[in-house]
Formats: sequence, C-alpha cells, structure tokens
Amino acid sequence: GQQVMQIPQYQHVQEGEDFTTYCNSSTTLSNIQWYKQRPGGHPVFLIQLVKSGEVKKQKRLTFQFGEAKKNSSLHITATQTTDVGTYFCAGNSGYSTLTFGKGTMLLVSP
Amino acid sequence: NAGVTQTPKFRILKIGQSMTLQCTQDMNHNYMYWYRQDPGMGLKLIYYSVGAGITDKGEVPNGYNVSRSTTEDFPLRLELAAPSQTSVYFCASSSSTGSYEQYFGPGTRLTVT
Repeated sequence: GQQVMQIPQYQHVQEGEDFTTYCNSSTTLSNIQWYKQRPGGHPVFLIQLVKSGEVKKQKRLTFQFGEAKKNSSLHITATQTTDVGTYFCAGNSGYSTLTFGKGTMLLVSP
Repeated sequence: NAGVTQTPKFRILKIGQSMTLQCTQDMNHNYMYWYRQDPGMGLKLIYYSVGAGITDKGEVPNGYNVSRSTTEDFPLRLELAAPSQTSVYFCASSSSTGSYEQYFGPGTRLTVT
C-alpha cells in the first residue's frame, strides 16, 4: 500500500531559527495536505498542494510540492514558540483516503 | 457550528469490556473517518464511511466495528477491549475524499488495563 514517510521525527530549535520537515511518498500523489497538531490537541488542516512544483506561503510557512509529486516540504522561517506542535503531511492518490506520515514534532525554546 | 464532536473525552476500560465512542458532525459532510493515534506513529485509519449506510475498512480495523445510520453520526464500537487498543481516537469528516480537507474532533483518550 501507499506509504508516506516524514523526517525528521523530532526537532528542537531556538526561537528565531528556521525549521524544515520533509515528506516522501512511495507512490505519485494526486495532492498532499499538511496538518498541525498542538500538544494535547487535534490535527488542524493547514494547506493543500495539488500541482507539480507548487509553492505556497502562509506568513512564515512555505510549502512545496515536488516536481514528481512524490515529495513535499514545510519550511518555517524564524520560528516562534507558537509554532510548537507536530506537523503531519498526508497524501492520497486519486479518490483514495489520505495516508498520514508519522509527523515531525517541533519544540521551540525561547 | 460545533464542527466534529466526540464523547467521551477520556475513558478507562478493563480488558474484555466493550464500549462505543460517539462522533457527530454538523457540517453535512458525507465522509467520516475514525483514526487512532499512538505516540510517534501518526494517524492510522480504522474505518471510514462515504455516506449513510456505507462503511469500509481502513488500515487497522481488527477489534472495531462501525455503523452509519445518519449523515451526522458515526459511532465506533470496541468489542472485548485489549491493552493494544490503548490509544487516542480521532473522528474526522470531510465533504468528499481525496483532495478535501478533513475536520477533526477533539479526540477520545482510551486506556485499557
């Protein structure tokens, strides 16, 4: 079946440093979604990428979808303590259900 | 709109007991999902439904059952609880599948001892 791998599993940064998490799929994806889960909370949708090579920005967050539609990344510029949480990518092919990666836990020290 | 609601928030079960986790959404979404989340393991799909009366297995369905009699409700039944079912359970819904964002409920933290 489809597998979605995410690295790193965990990252601890100082406030103001940048952060990147990477997502790789074993198959070509129709689209990829990113979710954020705060500690003790539930996953919340951030964004969806659909086109090959697509880049989207949300304030300090930059999302990219690879040319082959098999990988994606989330980059946070100048992290803040409010960025703490686990970031999940989730992909699907066609009309299948989403397959989630295991997530990257981000800890930001002030 | 309340979105997706789940009850209970917490539950402790003894081995062999049964229970039903409740999930309700008020967004008129056709698609509903049940996931379990174990530490460091991401979200694994247990069951999903594409509409009232239609359900299908996900990646980890063993030990669980679901029903979908209405658009709003999608209960998850645990029969003969086992310690391996200790987890956080999330219900989610979406207007369709694939390229549609999922809305998650607050979760149920279940411990089986």
